[in-house]
This record gives sequence, structure tokens and C-alpha cells, in this order.
Amino acid sequence: AIQLTQSPSSLSASVGDRVTITCRASQGISSALAWYQQKPGKAPKLLIYDASSLESGVPSRFSGSGSGTEFTLTISNLQPEDFATYYCQQFNSYPLTFGGGTKVEIK
Amino acid sequence: QVQLVQSGAEVKKPGSSVKVSCKASGGTFSSYAMNWVRQAPGQGLEWMGGIIPIFGTANYAQKFQGRVTITTDESTSTAYMDLSSLRSEDTAVYYCARGGGGEYNYGYDAFDIWGQGTMVTVSS
Repeated sequence: AIQLTQSPSSLSASVGDRVTITCRASQGISSALAWYQQKPGKAPKLLIYDASSLESGVPSRFSGSGSGTEFTLTISNLQPEDFATYYCQQFNSYPLTFGGGTKVEIK
Repeated sequence: QVQLVQSGAEVKKPGSSVKVSCKASGGTFSSYAMNWVRQAPGQGLEWMGGIIPIFGTANYAQKFQGRVTITTDESTSTAYMDLSSLRSEDTAVYYCARGGGGEYNYGYDAFDIWGQGTMVTVSS
């Protein structure tokens, strides 16, 4: 199974900051990567698919990049509603797998 | 707009089984993969398996092979996840999630629509 390693596991940031989260795959997955946001008690929400495509309705301050084994999610101009946990997911091969998550907290 | 509505919370005894349903409304059901993802309390997301209704064949994570069965009823646009031989470690929120790419992605998809989650508690 392909393992996804997210870093950092948590971070503290302020409103207006630029935040970058990294997801590394244990083997190449082309661009078959998605990013999700999850708030407490809620289902995850798709932000980015195919590594860099913004899901409809998601604010443009979210962006994704990368291919192969290294990927990043960037949130520019962090907003209060962005404090949440973020997960990457690969869909290059079965079993589909998720990263361990990155919790973005208020500084 | 497609919505996925799951069945309610369950409390089960160790060794028993649970069947969670996920009803789709507002769109095409058969042509999209339906996946099941679980999340133990305070933990991350774990893919259990998925099925494309029009093809009828499910893929399962090896961890759950032999204990999980994912099925669909196209007549009611409902997917089901049946987990047997329950143990305390199966206590989690179980989500259904639609693969957004359509049937010719063969399940290799990001999950664009999620159900609200079903809490399953396994306790004696």
C-alpha cells in the first residue's frame, strides 16, 4: 500500500498568514492526489483534486501543487474559517490511502 | 445537487455485525463509485472499500477483507456497508463518500460528496 506522510502534524498560525502543508508519497502517484478539510464533528470537504485542481466553490486562497511523490497544499491569507484539520489522499492505486492529517490551529 | 444521507447511530455488542446505509438523492447513482471511510475517535481517515454500482464489483482494503461487504441497491440509490465480527476497535464514525470521476475512473477518484457520518459504538 502507498503510504502518505504529512508534515507538519500540527501548526499554529495567525489570520492573514500563508500556510504550507506537505504530503509525501512512498512511491510515485503521478498527480492522483486530493486534499480535504475537516472541521470537528463534520465530514471532510474536498478542496483540491488531481494535485492542483480547485474543487468548485472552494476559495482561491487554497492551492495545490506537486506530482510524483511530493505535494503541497498552500493556504494564502489564512481566514478564521480555515482553522481545521487537512488530509491528503492518493487515488493512484488500491488501497486508496490518506495521510495522517495536519491540524491548523490559531496562534 | 447530489446528497448522501446515512442511517442513524448504532450501538453493537462485540462479535455482532452492523449494516450502515447511504442513500443518494439528486443525481445519478449507478455511474459513480461509492466508498466507505471510517474515523476512530480522535484519529485520521481510513478507507475501507468501494464499489461502482454499474459494475457491481467491490474493492476492499486488506485490513477489512473477510469482515466487510459493500453492496448497492440501484432501485433505491442506496449503498450499504456491512461489518461483521465487531470489536471495540471498530468504534468509529463511518462515512460514505462518492468518487467524483464517474465509472470510467474505475474508483480511482477523489471523493467529492460525503455523507454526514454514522457513529458506530461497539461495547459490551
